[in-house]
Amino acid sequence: KAGVTQTPRYLIKTRGQQVTLSCSPISGHRSVSWYQQTPGQGLQFLFEYFSETQRNKGNFPGRFSGRQFSNSRSEMNVSTLELGDSALYLCASSLNGEKLFFGSGTQLSVL
Amino acid sequence: SQQGEEDPQALSIQEGENATMNCSYKTSINNLQWYRQNSGRGLVHLILIRSNEREKHSGRLRVTLDTSKKSSSLLITASRAADTASYFCAPLTSGTYKYIFGTGTRLKVLA
Repeated sequence: KAGVTQTPRYLIKTRGQQVTLSCSPISGHRSVSWYQQTPGQGLQFLFEYFSETQRNKGNFPGRFSGRQFSNSRSEMNVSTLELGDSALYLCASSLNGEKLFFGSGTQLSVL
Repeated sequence: SQQGEEDPQALSIQEGENATMNCSYKTSINNLQWYRQNSGRGLVHLILIRSNEREKHSGRLRVTLDTSKKSSSLLITASRAADTASYFCAPLTSGTYKYIFGTGTRLKVLA
C-alpha cells in the first residue's frame, strides 16, 4: 500500500504570493489532517478533514485554508505569504481517527 | 498553547542505556500516542495507549499513562544509535478529532 504522498517536497515563494500544497492519503483513509512545524513552535495543528468536511480547525489566521476532495485527497492553501509562514507542512491520514500516518512534508521557504 | 508538553527538551545518553521521556497534557483525553521523527521528515507512529490503560509495551518501548496527573512517559530500553530522533506525544482531546503535539524531546544516542 502506498504511503501518504505530499507534493511538492520543496517550495520557494516570495512574500505576498500564495501557495497550494497537496496531500494524497493512504488508500481507504478518509481523515486527513495538516500540521505546521517550525523549530521553535513544534507541530501546530492546522485543520482536519473527513469525507470532505472540516471537523476541526486550529488557531491559524484565515489566510490558511484547506479542502478535501471526494477521493480524500486534500489541499491546503496559504494566501498572502509572510516570512513567518516558512515551515515544514505535514499531512497525515488516518483510517479511524486514531493512528496517524504522516507524509514526508513540504518544506516551504518564504523570501 | 501546546496540549502535549514533552520533558526534557533534549536528552543525550550512551548506547545501551535507557531513555525516559515525559509528557504532560491539560484536558481529558481519549488516548495518547507517541511518535518519532527523524531529521525533519514525517512522523512515525510508535504506540497508542487508551485512557483506560495504565501501561503498554511494544518491543523495547514501554509507555505509562496517569490520567489523574495528566501525564505519560515513554521508556526506551537498551537504546541504540538508530533511536536518535525527536519524540512527540500526542494526546487526543475527548470529543475532538485533533491531536495536539508538543515541541518534542530530542534524543541523541551516542555509540
